[in-house]
Order: sequence, then structure tokens, then C-alpha cells
Amino acid sequence: EAGVTQFPSHSVIEKGQTVTLRCDPISGHDNLYWYRRVMGKEIKFLLHFVKESKQDESGMPNNRFLAERTGGTYSTLKVQPAELEDSGVYFCASRPSSGSGSPLHFGNGTRLTVT
Amino acid sequence: AQSVAQPEDQVNVAEGNPLTVKCTYSVSGNPYLFWYVQYPNRGLQFLLKYITGDNLVKGSYGFEAEFNKSQTSFHLKKPSALVSDSALYFCAVRVLGGATNKLIFGTGTLLAVQP
Repeated sequence: EAGVTQFPSHSVIEKGQTVTLRCDPISGHDNLYWYRRVMGKEIKFLLHFVKESKQDESGMPNNRFLAERTGGTYSTLKVQPAELEDSGVYFCASRPSSGSGSPLHFGNGTRLTVT
Repeated sequence: AQSVAQPEDQVNVAEGNPLTVKCTYSVSGNPYLFWYVQYPNRGLQFLLKYITGDNLVKGSYGFEAEFNKSQTSFHLKKPSALVSDSALYFCAVRVLGGATNKLIFGTGTLLAVQP
């Protein structure tokens, strides 16, 4: 099966610009998560979708971040306007609907650099 | 608050020697514990998990981890390290309750295996 795919792999933008990250989960995985790792820090939870519904967005840093998952398939994470502190690696992960013990399947991440 | 600690930023070991990557956790209730590995420019790959049962769990690539409830630890081990094991290792605990079941990660430990 195809894994979780993320696009782009790298993005370099200037402060104030807008960037949209995309994630395609494994087909059939209802649960989709966004995480972020800032340099040298832990990987932090941003939000969780079940199908097209936001289940938990408690980790979203502020209202400059907007995540969508229209139709319950792929998801986008938009940062507008980007700030320097938004730099980091953004990971998307998915897992099937059954079993709280099932592991997350991660994409390769998008490395965002805001200059 | 629920948390995961990886006290070592880096672990150095010679090829063929046993390796240990340490992880301790703080969680209310029974923990669901995971280890993930990240190779350069790749996403996180699931290694192993502890949900219940035997305290010693075996995972991919010859890795194993021992759950110790009294010490709240879940150290990752391998009897004989390979140079190809060099990567970034993350310990994580799943937060149960509600529908999110999100993971809380440690800061990661860089494992360097010298030939």
C-alpha cells in the first residue's frame, strides 16, 4: 500500500508570505494528524481529523494556522502570514479507525523555512 | 501533565556492542508506549509498542524495549548495534481519553554507531 505522502518536501518563504502544506494519508485511514518539530525540540501535536471533522485542534499555535480535510481524504495546512517561529518540520500521520493501540504512519514531512 | 523524557541527546556506541536508548514517561493510567525511528530526510517509522502483556516487547530491525512500571521507563535496546542503526529515535506515549488518542513525543535521541 502507498504510504502517507506530503508535499512539498521543502519550502522556503519570506516572513509574511503564505504557504500551504498538503498531506495524503493512507487510503482508508479515517484518522489524520498533523505534528510539528521545531529544531531540536520534541515533536508536538497540532491537530487531529476524523474523516473531515476536526476532532482536536488544541495544538494549533494560533489563528495563522488553518487546516482542512475536505471530503475526508487529503488534508492541507495553511500558514498565513508566516512568521520566523513557524520554521520547522511538519509531519502528517494517519491511522485506521479501529484500535487505540494502532501505530501512526508518518509521512516524510515538509521542512518549512521562514526567512 | 503527561510527558515523555529522553535524557540523552546523543548516544554513541561501537558497532557490535549493545545499545540502550533511554525513555521515561509520566502519564495517568496505563500507558501505551511507542518507539519510532527517523532516518535522514525520512518520516518517522514505527519500531515497536507496549500496550499490555509481556514487559519485553520485540520490534523491527532487532530492536526491543522493556517496560518497567515501577521506574516508569521504556528503554529501547538492541544486543548488537549496526552502523545502519544510526538515526534519530523518538519515544512516545499515547494520551487516552476522548477520540484523539494523540501521541506525546520526547525530544529524540540521536544514535551514532561507529564502525
